[in-house]
Amino acid sequence: EVKLVESGGGLVQPGGSLRLSCGAFGFTSSDYWMIWVRQAPGKGLEWVAIIKQDGSEKFYVDSVEGRFTISRDNAKNLLFLQMSGLRAEDTAVYYCARGAGWVSEYWGQGTLVTVSA
Amino acid sequence: EIVLTQSPGTLSLSPGERATLSCRASQTVGKNYVAWYQQKPGRAPRLLIHTASIRATGIPDRFSGSGSGTDFTLTVSRLEPEDFAVYYCHQHAYAPLTFGGGTKVEMK
Repeated sequence: EVKLVESGGGLVQPGGSLRLSCGAFGFTSSDYWMIWVRQAPGKGLEWVAIIKQDGSEKFYVDSVEGRFTISRDNAKNLLFLQMSGLRAEDTAVYYCARGAGWVSEYWGQGTLVTVSA
Repeated sequence: EIVLTQSPGTLSLSPGERATLSCRASQTVGKNYVAWYQQKPGRAPRLLIHTASIRATGIPDRFSGSGSGTDFTLTVSRLEPEDFAVYYCHQHAYAPLTFGGGTKVEMK
């Protein structure tokens, strides 16, 4: 069974940093593009970032470019999102997803990031 | 960046009725790489359709997708009680990938 489990969310002050992790279970994550998507409270979905199987290609939404870094550790079946320079508008539930190509096929349950003083 | 506009914002229907949801792209979506997701409160989205018309694994055949170029449609042929939710379209052709704003299908 494919399962994705996010962790690392919490309360952080504006300008602070946080690293999210996503554990992949039931499949070999190195075979897939992996994706982060977020959802602000009461709002729609926003695609955040995607990383190629070997980590050689990464793409970001403009609003996080230069502040967030997506990475992966295929040996441990882990996906990461390093977030810095956090702003109030980054407050959201962050989901990791396994790609079928670039389609987010399987999703985790999400982890909440709250940016507030 | 491709902007996706979904309409209507809310659809009020009864079980057994047909639901037709629209998604319009600001430019042509290559290879018709448009997906549809269903999301219920407090839950992660579920992939229904990708590449405009290909049903994801385990999705009932009352869900169908169609369209090409800039205009795409999700149809639910006969609404079941569990189908009342928010639906998002998503283009998976060009980075940055984007989602539409969503259509809420509510019970009349």
